[in-house]
Amino acid sequence: GQNIDQPTEMTATEGAIVQINCTYQTSGFNGLFWYQQHAGEAPTFLSYNVLDGLEEKGRFSSFLSRSKGYSYLLLKELQMKDSASYLCAGLDSNYQLIWGAGTKLIIKP
Amino acid sequence: EPEVTQTPSHQVTQMGQEVILRCVPISNHLYFYWYRQILGQKVEFLVSFYNNEISEKSEIFDDQFSVERPDGSNFTLKIRSTKLEDSAMYFCASRLDLRGYTFGSGTRLTVV
Repeated sequence: GQNIDQPTEMTATEGAIVQINCTYQTSGFNGLFWYQQHAGEAPTFLSYNVLDGLEEKGRFSSFLSRSKGYSYLLLKELQMKDSASYLCAGLDSNYQLIWGAGTKLIIKP
Repeated sequence: EPEVTQTPSHQVTQMGQEVILRCVPISNHLYFYWYRQILGQKVEFLVSFYNNEISEKSEIFDDQFSVERPDGSNFTLKIRSTKLEDSAMYFCASRLDLRGYTFGSGTRLTVV
C-alpha cells in the first residue's frame, strides 16, 4: 500500500531551527512535495524534490533520499508566523499526490 | 500571480440536498483535481480530470459525486444527495507540470 509518515506535532522556539521528517512508500515515485497549511486555509507550496539531495529556498530547505524513502523539511530562523501544519506528499506513478497527515508545528516565543 | 478561484467559500446545506462547488483553474493548466479534508484529518484525493474526462478517481468518489468542465474555464464538483459525512473543506487544484500544483482557497461545506 501507499503510505506517508510524519510526526503529528512538534514544538520549537522562535529563532531556532527545526527539522520535520517524512518517510514514504508510494507505488512508483515522481517526487515529493512539502506544503504549509494554516488552520482553515488551503495548502501552499513550499518545495518539490525529485532528485536526491538538499534544495534550499530562503529559510526553508528540503532534503530527499530516494533509496531510504525519506525526506525532511528544515526551517531556520523560526518566526511565529511559521506556526502551521506541514504536509508531506508523495507523487506516485499516476502523478497522484499521496498525503501525510501533517505535522503541526508550534512555535513558542 | 495566477490563482485558482473557488466559490463559495462556505456553504451550508441540508442533508439530502444537492450542492455544486465551483472552481476556476489557472487558464493554461491542463490537469484539474478535487481534494477534500475533513476537519483535523489528512487531505484526501477525490478525482483528477484531464482532456475533458476523468483520469482517476478514488473510492470516495462514488455515484453521488460528479465533475464537469462546462465552458472551458469552470470546473465543478457536484454532490447529488449530501450526507453529514460530506462535511469537509473541498479544495480544487490545477497544474501545468509536476511542480505547479496550485490549490484554491477551498470551500467549507457544512451538511446539517
